[in-house]
Amino acid sequence: DTVLTQSPALAVSPGERVTISCRASESVSTGMHWYQQKPGQQPKLLIYGASNLESGVPARFSGSGSGTDFTLTIDPVEADDTATYFCQQSWNEYTFGAGTKLELK
Amino acid sequence: EVQLVESGGGLVQPGRSMKLSCAASGFTFNNYDMAWVCQAPKKGLEWVATISYDGSSTYYRDSVKGRFTISRDNAKSTLYLQMDSLRSEDTATYYCARQVGYTTDSYYFDYWGQGVMVTVSS
Repeated sequence: DTVLTQSPALAVSPGERVTISCRASESVSTGMHWYQQKPGQQPKLLIYGASNLESGVPARFSGSGSGTDFTLTIDPVEADDTATYFCQQSWNEYTFGAGTKLELK
Repeated sequence: EVQLVESGGGLVQPGRSMKLSCAASGFTFNNYDMAWVCQAPKKGLEWVATISYDGSSTYYRDSVKGRFTISRDNAKSTLYLQMDSLRSEDTATYYCARQVGYTTDSYYFDYWGQGVMVTVSS
């Protein structure tokens, strides 16, 4: 299976720019997708196909990357963005990263 | 509005069975592949199983093959997960999710239910 590695946690101040990384153990082309999960809620799709913004998601969110290295960017960060962010691929089975917990200072 | 509502969770003893249901509304159910994704307490997400739009194809993660069965009733717009020979490590919140193809080799989940907790314990 393709292993997705994410940094465990980040802390930023409102108004700043934050990048969340996801590295795949093998190439997944542009088949990387990003989700936001707030405590006690189900995951919500943010980005599909590495860089496509899901309908209804604020333009503050963007995604980039291909192959093995991907980033989710939030610019500017707002207080409501406190959540855990997961990357996911299905190029080789279906796997998720362990999640990056974003906290606001 | 797309809605996915799971039901059927609870406490079950190891080795016993449980069946989860997911009632779908707000979209043409038989046009979409569907999936179950689970999340153990304080842990990350794990894909469990996928079923094709017409029920003709099913896919499972290795740890549940032979124990879990995904199925659907398109007339009722309902997805199911039959879980047999349950183990303590199956304890998790189970989410029903609508699956969408980005390319022929890449899929993602665009809508999720609120989840149902399954606790396997004696």
